[in-house]
Amino acid sequence: NAGVTQTPKFQVLKTGQSMTLQCAQDMNHNSMYWYRQDPGMGLRLIYYSASEGTTDKGEVPNGYNVSRLNKREFSLRLESAAPSQTSVYFCASSDYGPGDSPLHFGNGTRLTVT
Amino acid sequence: EDQVTQSPEALRLQEGESSSLNCSYTVSGLRGLFWYRQDPGKGPEFLFTLYSAGEEKEKERLKATLTKKESFLHITAPKPEDSATYLCAVQNRGNYGQNFVFGPGTRLSVLP
Repeated sequence: NAGVTQTPKFQVLKTGQSMTLQCAQDMNHNSMYWYRQDPGMGLRLIYYSASEGTTDKGEVPNGYNVSRLNKREFSLRLESAAPSQTSVYFCASSDYGPGDSPLHFGNGTRLTVT
Repeated sequence: EDQVTQSPEALRLQEGESSSLNCSYTVSGLRGLFWYRQDPGKGPEFLFTLYSAGEEKEKERLKATLTKKESFLHITAPKPEDSATYLCAVQNRGNYGQNFVFGPGTRLSVLP
């Protein structure tokens, strides 16, 4: 039982390049999320998917797109990377209902844009 | 607007020196307050959920408490392996998916 798996772990891009961050969960959770974490700031929500087939913008969606490929997988795409997107990106999953579950996080992708 | 602040920003303790971390929050309707531990280079790891004022949860040397405006994470007789960043988050009742708000964290160092 791996939980939430993110790839790659590290990435360096030049300004204007594109890339896709991959995330998969094996907990059968309905909801998946992408956050970014910057020094001195709390985790900020980029996009989320409440259930398979739906996606919605979070607090900081500009410059990103997402795809909920199936119940397990949720990818984040940077179409034209900018230095402001240098950050650590975390994927998370959760379930909801009478016994809401907390967010379960992957170990992150450390992205540097030069 | 929901907000979470944490204090102190950083805390250094000697092994065995007990202390508390603070999480102050404002939220339109609290569904839950969460504590996470984050080790360097890792994702946040879930510790506790608290749902209502007066509730307490314990795990080994950690105890989390909740009031209507604050939560405290008490660390009793800490060990060096307790060194980590501790994150607090609140979940409000509405706007599903956007309803987790995180604080910036407290970086705890426990010296042997």
